[in-house]
Amino acid sequence: GAVVSQHPSWVICKSGTSVKIECRSLDFQATTMFWYRQFPKQSLMLMATSNEGSKATYEQGVEKDKFLINHASLTLSTLTVTSAHPEDSSFYICSASRADLQEADTQYFGPGTRLTVL
Amino acid sequence: AQKVTQAQTEISVVEKEDVTLDCVYETRDTTYYLFWYKQPPSGELVFLIRRNSFDEQNEISGRYSWNFQKSTSSFNFTITASQVVDSAVYFCALRTNTGFQKLVFGTGTRLLVSP
Repeated sequence: GAVVSQHPSWVICKSGTSVKIECRSLDFQATTMFWYRQFPKQSLMLMATSNEGSKATYEQGVEKDKFLINHASLTLSTLTVTSAHPEDSSFYICSASRADLQEADTQYFGPGTRLTVL
Repeated sequence: AQKVTQAQTEISVVEKEDVTLDCVYETRDTTYYLFWYKQPPSGELVFLIRRNSFDEQNEISGRYSWNFQKSTSSFNFTITASQVVDSAVYFCALRTNTGFQKLVFGTGTRLLVSP
């Protein structure tokens, strides 16, 4: 299989606090992990791409100091929303692509994390 | 530039009807990959199929089938004998070799299957 987990599945926090979301590939090694944001009834918006051991590549318009990404190993990437504000409330989804060549082009998605900032 | 268009915003059918979800893509790359994902109300995107640009064979998997036509740049998805559990948002996506592994998503088609 190709299972990706995310933790937590939902979180409510106060404005000004930081929130960390974990993304793990459970049964495969991931060369690359991706972080997306999805607003209600809209498509996914890519925020950043991260490779293990290197800095993440952020999409245009995404604040790297606001959304800190760490890709510590081939199975774990974290997204930290720093000094969260109500406008950061959204559904955050991660995905991972496998390290083996046969399926390196397929992204497998986590279940998502719903962030609500009060 | 790469682009994926899913012109159908929402489709409603009654159980057991067949339904086709359209996907049209744009790319200048000769090597690319097309995908379909299902997003049920729970939110998790479920991978359904991957197709590379050199393989135009249509594929069938149970009640699901896909029609890939390079001549019209389309990768349509048909569900035969739809069921209530098929209700979800379906996304078509494109990845090219020059796109740094990024997936370009369509806007999605919401499928509602009523009993």
